[in-house]
Amino acid sequence: QVQLVDSGGGVVQPGRSLRLSCAASGFSFSGYNMHWVRQAPGKGLEGVAVISYDGKNKDYADSVKGRFSISRDNSKNTLYLQMNSLRPEDTAVYYCARDGPGIVDYYYYYMDVWGKGTTVTISS
Amino acid sequence: EIVLTQSPGTLSLSPGERATLSCRASQSLSSNYLAWYQQKPGQAPRLLIHGAFSRATGIPDRFSGSGSGTDFTLTINGLQPEDFAVYYCQQYESSRTFGQGTKVEIK
Repeated sequence: QVQLVDSGGGVVQPGRSLRLSCAASGFSFSGYNMHWVRQAPGKGLEGVAVISYDGKNKDYADSVKGRFSISRDNSKNTLYLQMNSLRPEDTAVYYCARDGPGIVDYYYYYMDVWGKGTTVTISS
Repeated sequence: EIVLTQSPGTLSLSPGERATLSCRASQSLSSNYLAWYQQKPGQAPRLLIHGAFSRATGIPDRFSGSGSGTDFTLTINGLQPEDFAVYYCQQYESSRTFGQGTKVEIK
């Protein structure tokens, strides 16, 4: 059964750091590009970061560029999002998601499998 | 950046009726790289449609996507109680952006 389990959320103060994890199972993780998508309370969806199947290509939303870093460990079937210099506007549910087609290239498509999300709250 | 504008913001319909949701792109999506998602309260989004009209695995055929260029439509024929939710479009022609969502509520 294809599954993504995201974890690592919590309440942290502005300026601090947090690392999210996403454990994948039921599919060949190393063959898929992966995304992090967030949703602020009562708002819509925002793509935060994406990483290629081999970890060599990454892309970030302007709102997090220079503060967040996406990475993956294909030996552990795990995706990460390192979030530094957190701001109140980073408060959201963060979802990891699989890139749909499973094409091993550096083009990113739609998201066909999603984790349940992990909640990040930035507050003093 | 390609901006997606969804309309209407809220659609009030009764079970059994047809829902027609619109997604307009600020630039042409020449490859029809447009997806639709459904999201229910407290749940993750679920992929419905990709490539403008291809249904994802397990999606009932009452959901259909159409359109090209800058104008795309998600149609739900015969609304079921479980279809009342928020729907988002997403383009992946140039980077990736989402529309702001359309809520389909029970009238």
